[in-house]
Amino acid sequence: DAGVTQSPTHLIKTRGQQVTLRCSPKSGHDTVSWYQQALGQGPQFIFQYYEEEERQRGNFPDRFSGHQFPNYSSELNVNALLLGDSALYLCASSGGQEYYEQYFGPGTRLTVT
Amino acid sequence: SQQGEEDPQALSIQEGENATMNCSYKTSINNLQWYRQISGRGLVHLILIRSNEREKHSGRLRVTLDTSKKSSSLLITASRAADTASYFCATDAYQAAGNKLTFGGGTRVLVKP
Repeated sequence: DAGVTQSPTHLIKTRGQQVTLRCSPKSGHDTVSWYQQALGQGPQFIFQYYEEEERQRGNFPDRFSGHQFPNYSSELNVNALLLGDSALYLCASSGGQEYYEQYFGPGTRLTVT
Repeated sequence: SQQGEEDPQALSIQEGENATMNCSYKTSINNLQWYRQISGRGLVHLILIRSNEREKHSGRLRVTLDTSKKSSSLLITASRAADTASYFCATDAYQAAGNKLTFGGGTRVLVKP
Protein backbone atom coordinates (compact mmCIF):
# COMPACT_ATOMS: atom_id res chain seq x y z
CA ASP A 1 0.00 0.00 0.00
CA ALA A 2 1.79 3.13 -1.26
CA GLY A 3 1.95 6.10 1.01
CA VAL A 4 1.97 9.70 -0.11
CA THR A 5 4.27 10.31 -3.06
CA GLN A 6 5.64 13.58 -4.36
CA SER A 7 7.56 14.63 -7.44
CA PRO A 8 10.08 15.87 -8.17
CA THR A 9 12.41 15.34 -5.21
CA HIS A 10 14.53 18.39 -5.92
CA LEU A 11 14.06 21.38 -8.17
CA ILE A 12 16.16 24.43 -8.97
CA LYS A 13 14.46 27.43 -10.54
CA THR A 14 15.34 31.03 -11.31
CA ARG A 15 13.57 34.07 -9.89
CA GLY A 16 10.48 34.93 -11.89
CA GLN A 17 9.93 31.42 -13.20
CA GLN A 18 6.96 29.20 -12.51
CA VAL A 19 6.98 25.76 -10.90
CA THR A 20 4.54 22.85 -10.57
CA LEU A 21 4.85 20.25 -7.83
CA ARG A 22 2.86 17.02 -7.78
CA CYS A 23 1.40 14.82 -5.08
CA SER A 24 -0.43 11.48 -4.98
CA PRO A 25 -2.30 10.78 -1.75
CA LYS A 26 -2.27 7.61 0.29
CA SER A 27 -4.75 5.00 -0.89
CA GLY A 28 -8.18 5.64 0.60
CA HIS A 29 -7.54 9.33 1.24
CA ASP A 30 -9.49 12.06 -0.55
CA THR A 31 -8.07 15.23 0.99
CA VAL A 32 -4.73 16.79 0.13
CA SER A 33 -3.00 19.58 2.02
CA TRP A 34 0.14 21.48 1.07
CA TYR A 35 2.68 22.94 3.48
CA GLN A 36 5.79 25.05 3.08
CA GLN A 37 8.69 24.43 5.43
CA ALA A 38 11.54 26.93 5.54
CA LEU A 39 14.88 25.73 6.86
CA GLY A 40 14.86 25.32 10.61
CA GLN A 41 11.15 26.07 11.00
CA GLY A 42 7.92 24.16 11.30
CA PRO A 43 5.67 23.61 8.27
CA GLN A 44 3.25 26.39 7.31
CA PHE A 45 -0.15 25.53 5.86
CA ILE A 46 -0.66 26.71 2.28
CA PHE A 47 -4.04 25.22 1.31
CA GLN A 48 -6.19 22.11 1.33
CA TYR A 49 -8.14 20.44 -1.45
CA TYR A 50 -11.20 18.26 -1.13
CA GLU A 51 -13.58 17.19 -3.88
CA GLU A 52 -11.44 19.08 -6.39
CA GLU A 53 -11.99 22.39 -4.63
CA GLU A 54 -9.86 24.54 -2.34
CA ARG A 55 -11.44 24.08 1.07
CA GLN A 56 -9.06 26.06 3.26
CA ARG A 57 -6.24 28.48 2.57
CA GLY A 58 -3.39 29.77 4.70
CA ASN A 59 -1.73 33.14 4.58
CA PHE A 60 -0.05 32.78 1.20
CA PRO A 61 -0.30 35.12 -1.81
CA ASP A 62 -2.25 34.33 -4.94
CA ARG A 63 1.01 33.33 -6.63
CA PHE A 64 0.41 30.02 -4.91
CA SER A 65 -2.37 28.04 -6.54
CA GLY A 66 -3.38 24.44 -6.71
CA HIS A 67 -5.54 21.84 -8.26
CA GLN A 68 -6.99 18.48 -7.33
CA PHE A 69 -7.83 15.87 -9.92
CA PRO A 70 -10.68 13.31 -9.89
CA ASN A 71 -8.23 10.62 -8.72
CA TYR A 72 -7.47 12.85 -5.69
CA SER A 73 -3.92 13.67 -6.78
CA SER A 74 -2.94 17.29 -6.56
CA GLU A 75 -0.63 19.93 -7.95
CA LEU A 76 0.86 23.02 -6.36
CA ASN A 77 1.77 25.86 -8.70
CA VAL A 78 3.89 28.83 -7.76
CA ASN A 79 4.20 31.75 -10.19
CA ALA A 80 6.75 34.56 -10.30
CA LEU A 81 9.14 32.76 -7.98
CA LEU A 82 10.97 34.76 -5.33
CA LEU A 83 14.16 33.84 -3.49
CA GLY A 84 12.03 33.50 -0.37
CA ASP A 85 10.04 30.68 -1.94
CA SER A 86 13.04 28.39 -1.46
CA ALA A 87 11.80 25.74 0.94
CA LEU A 88 10.72 22.15 1.38
CA TYR A 89 7.18 21.70 0.07
CA LEU A 90 5.25 18.97 1.80
CA CYS A 91 2.08 17.31 0.71
CA ALA A 92 -0.15 15.53 3.20
CA SER A 93 -3.23 13.42 2.70
CA SER A 94 -6.09 12.44 4.95
CA GLY A 95 -9.57 11.03 4.68
CA GLY A 96 -11.94 8.25 5.52
CA GLN A 97 -11.26 6.80 8.94
CA GLU A 98 -8.05 8.83 9.03
CA TYR A 99 -9.78 12.20 8.73
CA TYR A 100 -7.67 13.97 11.35
CA GLU A 101 -4.34 12.18 10.92
CA GLN A 102 -2.42 13.71 8.05
CA TYR A 103 0.21 11.55 6.37
CA PHE A 104 3.07 13.35 4.70
CA GLY A 105 5.06 12.66 1.58
CA PRO A 106 8.86 12.99 1.43
CA GLY A 107 8.64 16.56 0.13
CA THR A 108 10.03 18.52 -2.78
CA ARG A 109 13.07 20.68 -2.09
CA LEU A 110 12.73 23.87 -4.16
CA THR A 111 15.69 26.18 -4.56
CA VAL A 112 15.18 29.55 -6.22
CA THR A 113 18.32 31.29 -7.45
CA SER B 1 1.58 32.13 12.40
CA GLN B 2 2.64 29.21 14.51
CA GLN B 3 0.17 27.98 17.08
CA GLY B 4 2.40 25.60 18.97
CA GLU B 5 5.74 26.31 20.58
CA GLU B 6 8.01 23.43 21.48
CA ASP B 7 10.34 23.46 24.44
CA PRO B 8 13.25 22.94 24.50
CA GLN B 9 14.36 23.94 21.03
CA ALA B 10 17.17 21.40 21.19
CA LEU B 11 17.93 18.39 23.35
CA SER B 12 21.01 16.18 23.55
CA ILE B 13 20.90 12.89 25.45
CA GLN B 14 22.72 9.58 25.70
CA GLU B 15 21.29 6.41 24.21
CA GLY B 16 19.06 4.68 26.73
CA GLU B 17 17.98 7.89 28.46
CA ASN B 18 14.49 9.32 28.26
CA ALA B 19 13.69 12.42 26.21
CA THR B 20 10.90 14.79 27.14
CA MET B 21 9.70 17.70 25.09
CA ASN B 22 6.80 20.05 25.58
CA CYS B 23 4.39 21.90 23.34
CA SER B 24 2.21 24.86 24.17
CA TYR B 25 -0.57 26.23 22.01
CA LYS B 26 -2.80 29.27 22.09
CA THR B 27 -6.33 28.47 20.95
CA SER B 28 -8.81 25.70 21.64
CA ILE B 29 -8.09 22.54 19.73
CA ASN B 30 -9.81 19.45 18.48
CA ASN B 31 -6.74 17.23 18.35
CA LEU B 32 -3.01 17.46 18.90
CA GLN B 33 -0.54 15.37 16.92
CA TRP B 34 3.16 14.72 17.16
CA TYR B 35 5.38 14.20 14.13
CA ARG B 36 9.00 13.20 13.61
CA GLN B 37 11.22 14.53 10.84
CA ILE B 38 14.61 13.08 10.04
CA SER B 39 17.18 15.04 8.04
CA GLY B 40 14.70 17.56 6.66
CA ARG B 41 12.64 14.99 4.83
CA GLY B 42 8.95 14.13 5.16
CA LEU B 43 7.16 14.13 8.49
CA VAL B 44 6.26 10.80 10.06
CA HIS B 45 3.05 10.69 12.07
CA LEU B 46 3.72 9.46 15.61
CA ILE B 47 0.56 9.85 17.62
CA LEU B 48 -2.72 11.75 17.80
CA ILE B 49 -4.39 12.69 21.06
CA ARG B 50 -7.91 14.06 21.12
CA SER B 51 -8.93 17.03 23.23
CA ASN B 52 -10.97 14.79 25.56
CA GLU B 53 -8.00 12.48 26.22
CA ARG B 54 -5.32 13.12 28.84
CA GLU B 55 -2.71 10.48 28.06
CA LYS B 56 -1.86 8.13 25.23
CA HIS B 57 0.84 5.53 24.68
CA SER B 58 2.35 4.04 21.56
CA GLY B 59 5.34 1.77 22.00
CA ARG B 60 8.11 3.84 23.62
CA LEU B 61 6.10 7.04 23.21
CA ARG B 62 3.90 8.63 25.85
CA VAL B 63 1.90 11.77 25.16
CA THR B 64 0.00 13.84 27.67
CA LEU B 65 -2.43 16.65 27.04
CA ASP B 66 -3.56 19.34 29.46
CA THR B 67 -6.20 21.45 27.77
CA SER B 68 -6.54 23.74 30.80
CA LYS B 69 -2.90 24.73 30.38
CA LYS B 70 -2.97 24.40 26.60
CA SER B 71 0.05 22.18 26.67
CA SER B 72 1.23 18.71 25.71
CA SER B 73 4.32 16.65 26.35
CA LEU B 74 6.00 13.86 24.41
CA LEU B 75 8.15 11.36 26.27
CA ILE B 76 10.42 8.96 24.41
CA THR B 77 11.66 6.23 26.72
CA ALA B 78 14.90 4.27 26.32
CA SER B 79 16.02 6.44 23.42
CA ARG B 80 18.01 5.06 20.51
CA ALA B 81 20.35 6.71 18.02
CA ALA B 82 17.60 6.26 15.42
CA ASP B 83 15.40 8.64 17.47
CA THR B 84 17.69 11.50 16.43
CA ALA B 85 15.29 13.81 14.62
CA SER B 86 13.20 16.95 14.90
CA TYR B 87 9.89 16.55 16.66
CA PHE B 88 6.90 18.77 15.94
CA CYS B 89 3.55 19.17 17.57
CA ALA B 90 0.62 20.16 15.40
CA THR B 91 -2.87 21.22 16.34
CA ASP B 92 -6.11 21.40 14.50
CA ALA B 93 -9.18 23.29 15.54
CA TYR B 94 -12.35 21.87 14.12
CA GLN B 95 -13.95 24.11 11.58
CA ALA B 96 -16.90 23.66 9.33
CA ALA B 97 -14.61 22.68 6.51
CA GLY B 98 -11.09 21.43 6.67
CA ASN B 99 -8.62 20.14 9.20
CA LYS B 100 -5.54 22.24 8.59
CA LEU B 101 -2.62 21.67 10.94
CA THR B 102 -0.74 24.43 12.70
CA PHE B 103 2.80 23.46 13.65
CA GLY B 104 5.25 24.63 16.24
CA GLY B 105 8.91 25.30 15.54
CA GLY B 106 10.06 21.86 16.64
CA THR B 107 12.48 20.30 19.11
CA ARG B 108 15.75 18.97 17.68
CA VAL B 109 16.76 15.81 19.50
CA LEU B 110 20.24 14.32 19.30
CA VAL B 111 20.70 10.86 20.78
CA LYS B 112 24.38 10.06 21.24
CA PRO B 113 25.45 6.38 21.09
